[in-house]
Amino acid sequence: DQQVKQNSPSLSVQEGRISILNCDYTNSMFDYFLWYKKYPAEGPTFLISISSIKDKNEDGRFTVFLNKSAKHLSLHIVPSQPGDSAVYFCAASGATGNQFYFGTGTSLTVIP
Amino acid sequence: NAGVTQTPKFRILKIGQSMTLQCTQDMNHNYMYWYRQDPGMGLKLIYYSVGAGITDKGEVPNGYNVSRSTTEDFPLRLELAAPSQTSVYFCASSYAGGRAKNIQYFGAGTRLSVL
Repeated sequence: DQQVKQNSPSLSVQEGRISILNCDYTNSMFDYFLWYKKYPAEGPTFLISISSIKDKNEDGRFTVFLNKSAKHLSLHIVPSQPGDSAVYFCAASGATGNQFYFGTGTSLTVIP
Repeated sequence: NAGVTQTPKFRILKIGQSMTLQCTQDMNHNYMYWYRQDPGMGLKLIYYSVGAGITDKGEVPNGYNVSRSTTEDFPLRLELAAPSQTSVYFCASSYAGGRAKNIQYFGAGTRLSVL
């Protein structure tokens, strides 16, 4: 049972435009959410996180929005750059913080 | 500044063989994790450890064993390899405690094929 879902396997965006990656979750006990970026043949690297007490967290070009009532989060990248082309995973954990549940990933291609 | 190191990078096993995937971290992290990623899927947690001598099952532990005798090392053991264990395996570590954010740092992965 997939508790974290990324329904868009791929996304293509022109350089300089906004990229919006979406993630939905089903477990209302999740209270901490993260986005990871993964290049081929490498492990995922941490990008940005958000706690359930917030609805927005910003770090440079990256902003994560959390809508708890809809059990939905999104990652905005503005402006998108070719180096952002990668697979993006969202992940969630509950109060213990011991176990993380990952989505299936969205492959972002930024076209120069 | 090595971070999380996994060995080997690639391995082909025959059905029924056994092997150990090695993972070591030099960041003095208390938490360590093993994930597997199948094609087109997200990462699934196999086992995790919250400190030396303490391990617990994740979502998909069947067919695997782990041990954590030191803070640095967290090997994953496959006893009787099966084709269903063909996957990419990622080890990760994090510092969790107090108000610290639990951010996982991943190794580069081990690509395992069981034929």
